[in-house]
Amino acid sequence: DVKVTQSSRYLVKRTGEKVFLECVQDMDHENMFWYRQDPGLGLRLIYFSYDVKMKEKGDIPEGYSVSREKKERFSLILESASTNQTSMYLCASGWRAQPQHFGDGTRLSIL
Amino acid sequence: AQSVTQPDIHITVSEGASLELRCNYSYGATPYLFWYVQSPGQGLQLLLKYFSGDTLVQGIKGFEAEFKRSQSSFNLRKPSVHWSDAAEYFCAVGTYNNNDMRFGAGTRLTVKP
Repeated sequence: DVKVTQSSRYLVKRTGEKVFLECVQDMDHENMFWYRQDPGLGLRLIYFSYDVKMKEKGDIPEGYSVSREKKERFSLILESASTNQTSMYLCASGWRAQPQHFGDGTRLSIL
Repeated sequence: AQSVTQPDIHITVSEGASLELRCNYSYGATPYLFWYVQSPGQGLQLLLKYFSGDTLVQGIKGFEAEFKRSQSSFNLRKPSVHWSDAAEYFCAVGTYNNNDMRFGAGTRLTVKP
């Protein structure tokens, strides 16, 4: 069965910390995505990667960066966490430009 | 830019009743349309997708959706709802090879016994 695994289900960090969210997929998909999910706003794309070391900004990249050193792993980095980055973060992968498979999400709280 | 509207924030139906969740999109080109379901505490699962061809699309878990270009709609239907269908449902629109997918705000479905 296909699998997208996010390293943490729940995470609590402090303002100003550097935060890493990890995502691994086992389907050999070229495309991987990071979304942020907030009530009433649906999902918003933060970053998209279509190959190793390749990335594109999504709708809300400010305050975030990403890393894709290996095909199966896509990391989201909050350079200096702020309270307005408290949210649910969803990783996804797909063989086209649309996300096909999602991880279970990381609920991140910034205090 | 494309956009997706799900007019109903919350819908309650009785178990065994039929279901229709509405989705309207705005897109200049040929849209690729998707429905996802999110159970509590989980990620999104793809229910079905429409790329081209037959406008009535069958998905998993007994769901279907119909693409109506004239109405810019892609409504999701199920003839008989089960208690396990209680979840949040997201409609999305995108294109074939661009990462410009847009999600609706979601419709939360409650199923009454």
